[in-house]
Amino acid sequence: DTAVSQTPKYLVTQMGNDKSIKCEQNLGHDTMYWYKQDSKKFLKIMFSYNNKELIINETVPNRFSPKSPDKAHLNLHINSLELGDSAVYFCASTQLDRNTEAFFGQGTRLTVV
Amino acid sequence: AQSVTQPDIHITVSEGASLELRCNYSYGATPYLFWYVQSPGQGLQLLLKYFSGDTLVQGIKGFEAEFKRSQSSFNLRKPSVHWSDAAEYFCAVGASGSARQLTFGSGTQLTVLP
Repeated sequence: DTAVSQTPKYLVTQMGNDKSIKCEQNLGHDTMYWYKQDSKKFLKIMFSYNNKELIINETVPNRFSPKSPDKAHLNLHINSLELGDSAVYFCASTQLDRNTEAFFGQGTRLTVV
Repeated sequence: AQSVTQPDIHITVSEGASLELRCNYSYGATPYLFWYVQSPGQGLQLLLKYFSGDTLVQGIKGFEAEFKRSQSSFNLRKPSVHWSDAAEYFCAVGASGSARQLTFGSGTQLTVLP
């Protein structure tokens, strides 16, 4: 069983479209994250949810909207996609009250054409 | 604000040689420190982590790292590199308390020569 799973793995779409990426974790963790990896492989935090509450909201265009229907799921919706949104998006989860690392999904490679 | 520096963008070693990847961090309190590895097209896999205690930590695949507070460093080492170790390596610092979000270094690309 995959601990943190993201769908889709690849996403190719046209500028201006709206798309969603889904993430699920089966580790029972209370905290989930979205990270963006750019073309130079630099990883940066975008959002974090703890028990379905938004606790980190970095400087990200408001075209990006995370949603956490329950603590095992964190989805990322992107409106009006732009060329610069092309990147790999990683979901991760952890348990904040334990000395445990963040577990990452396999990533979603988004290409905007 | 926390930051992580990986001064080596690209390192090339021969198979069987020893390896050291450098990582320096900036953080006001005791940091949580991590090394992750990313193979092409793959996600991030944890190699090892430091939260507290013994400053020399052992990880998977024969890797180890040493936390040196005086030097603000957390260098990754392996005594004998295998061809399968070729990948991108990321050092990261996690904020204690709060959301423990990770701040990553820019990564070091490791090439292993036969």
